[in-house]
Amino acid sequence: SYELTQPLSVSVALGQTARITCGGNNIVSKNVHWYQQKPGQAPVLVIYRDSDRPSGIPERFSGSNSGNTATLTISRAQAGDEGDYYCQVWDTTTALFGGGTKLTVL
Amino acid sequence: QVQLVESGGGVVQPGGSLRLSCAASGFTFSSYGMHWVRQAPGKGLEWLAFIRYDGNDKYYADSVKGRFTISRDNSKNMLNLQLSSLRAEDTAVYYCAKDFLEGLIKGWFDPWGQGTLVTVSS
Repeated sequence: SYELTQPLSVSVALGQTARITCGGNNIVSKNVHWYQQKPGQAPVLVIYRDSDRPSGIPERFSGSNSGNTATLTISRAQAGDEGDYYCQVWDTTTALFGGGTKLTVL
Repeated sequence: QVQLVESGGGVVQPGGSLRLSCAASGFTFSSYGMHWVRQAPGKGLEWLAFIRYDGNDKYYADSVKGRFTISRDNSKNMLNLQLSSLRAEDTAVYYCAKDFLEGLIKGWFDPWGQGTLVTVSS
């Protein structure tokens, strides 16, 4: 079955750029979606179809997808961006999530 | 605004059953596919089930196929998940989520409800 691999944790200095990767076999052939989850809260969609932003999501959030890696990029990182980030794809009749990445803003 | 409110969680013994509900408002419920996703304590997200906007197509994760049943009542704007043969590993927060666009499945979720906790324990 298809698998998505994310780093367990990523750290970024305040105001710098964070990149969170999501690896999968030929993931470029799939639409990748990203969710942010803060402690005690439900997940929130931040990027869909690789690089589209839902309304209300800051332009600081962007996404890309190439080869075997999709990437969520957070520019000018803020303290409020801390949380867990999950990538997700739809594979035939199943949704798959990556294991999640904890983002720490230093 | 779009709102999803889950209910029905609680403590249940292993082997028991539980019915979760998700009340939807703020959008044309009968036009959207809906999903259930869960999150075990301290763990990641696990997709469980999808139901098409008209209820005529359903998909399940292998981990719950045959034990969980998704259903919907478009006249009441309600989504349900019947849980049976529950195990300790089913302990989790259960979220309902709306498929992003109306019509046939798109396969990503926005928004999510706040979740309801199911604890399977003797």
